[in-house]
Amino acid sequence: DSGVTQTPKHLITATGQRVTLRCSPRSGDLSVYWYQQSLDQGLQFLIQYYNGEERAKGNILERFSAQQFPDLHSELNLSSLELGDSALYFCASSTGSQYEQYFGPGTRLTVT
Amino acid sequence: GENVEQHPSTLSVQEGDSAVIKCTYSDSASNYFPWYKQELGKRPQLIIDIRSNVGEKKDQRIAVTLNKTAKHFSLHITETQPEDSAVYFCAAKETNDYKLSFGAGTTVTVRA
Repeated sequence: DSGVTQTPKHLITATGQRVTLRCSPRSGDLSVYWYQQSLDQGLQFLIQYYNGEERAKGNILERFSAQQFPDLHSELNLSSLELGDSALYFCASSTGSQYEQYFGPGTRLTVT
Repeated sequence: GENVEQHPSTLSVQEGDSAVIKCTYSDSASNYFPWYKQELGKRPQLIIDIRSNVGEKKDQRIAVTLNKTAKHFSLHITETQPEDSAVYFCAAKETNDYKLSFGAGTTVTVRA
């Protein structure tokens, strides 16, 4: 167990809908990273937050957004969902001053 | 941005033999190189990492080597066991960036 928690574990929704994925970092970690892993694909970096502020952005679609709250948990919002958005979404956290990133168990999103 | 290439994409070894996975990176400024192991349906798990100021690091049966001049790093697993079967991802972090760029992954199968 990495100490990073994600909810929900599974999510099934229809095209055009909007969902919110939640992540709680390890105790003491200030940085949260979001990654997307499609079937048979590697890990694609989406976005990073550090202590409430956006720090880095990757290949994140405009339909996707994220935020980190004062208690350091983070939410990833996916809207106008398409079939191609079906994937595993991982959250990872780090202290911010150290490099090591620890991943949560992921949320499996299925868009039908 | 950083581009990480990983080879081979699949690797089958006999139990007890060694496995080697190689990665190359494009940005000479990258300074941190972790390796993650991901079992089917599970989260990526950090198994070993190396910083640019060292050339080799070992942890029991796994070791990582780094050649900064050639911009490549490798994962070595000795005395492989069935539980080593998984997908392994290499990654690189640029000095002035906060995200990890991942390789495409290597599926390792250890034959009993």
